[in-house]
Amino acid sequence: NAGVTQTPKFRVLKTGQSMTLLCAQDMNHEYMYWYRQDPGMGLRLIHYSVGEGTTAKGEVPDGYNVSRLKKQNFLLGLESAAPSQTSVYFCASRSPAGWSYEQYFGPGTRLTVT
Amino acid sequence: DQQVKQNSPSLSVQEGRISILNCDYTNSMFDYFLWYKKYPAEGPTFLISISSIKDKNEDGRFTVFLNKSAKHLSLHIVPSQPGDSAVYFCAASALWGGGSNYKLTFGKGTLLTVNP
Repeated sequence: NAGVTQTPKFRVLKTGQSMTLLCAQDMNHEYMYWYRQDPGMGLRLIHYSVGEGTTAKGEVPDGYNVSRLKKQNFLLGLESAAPSQTSVYFCASRSPAGWSYEQYFGPGTRLTVT
Repeated sequence: DQQVKQNSPSLSVQEGRISILNCDYTNSMFDYFLWYKKYPAEGPTFLISISSIKDKNEDGRFTVFLNKSAKHLSLHIVPSQPGDSAVYFCAASALWGGGSNYKLTFGKGTLLTVNP
């Protein structure tokens, strides 16, 4: 059981370039999330998905797009990267069953935009 | 508007002593609270949680206390060990966006250092 995996682990982009971050989970979780973490800040929700084929905006969605074509994968896209998007990106997933709101996180992707 | 606040950016304790990490919140709609632990270059990992209908939850060396009237929760680690050195995030859950989905709101984190 790999849990939640993210690729790539590191990436450097130039302003205006595009890229896609991939998140995969093997726990059959319905819900998946993308967060960003900036220095001295907590994790902030970018977008989330409550099931295959569905996506919704979080707190800081501007400049990002997402897709959930398969239940196990959640993709985060940056169409035109900006220096303000330099951050560490975490993907998470959870099951809607039960009373626990625990989310399982991936190891993160460190993105630098120059 | 920071709804979940961890006012201590860092905390240093001696091995074997108690570590107390604090968290305050402002949104009375939060109904579930979680603590996550994060090591450098890793993702956060779930530590312990508490429902708003309880005032205490214990799991081994970790205990979380909730004071709803004060909108305050704390994480106690007894005894503290060097391996506990990490950033601890407090998170709170509430319905989001007028729908039926729950969202976690995170504090900024507290860096705990346990000295041998």
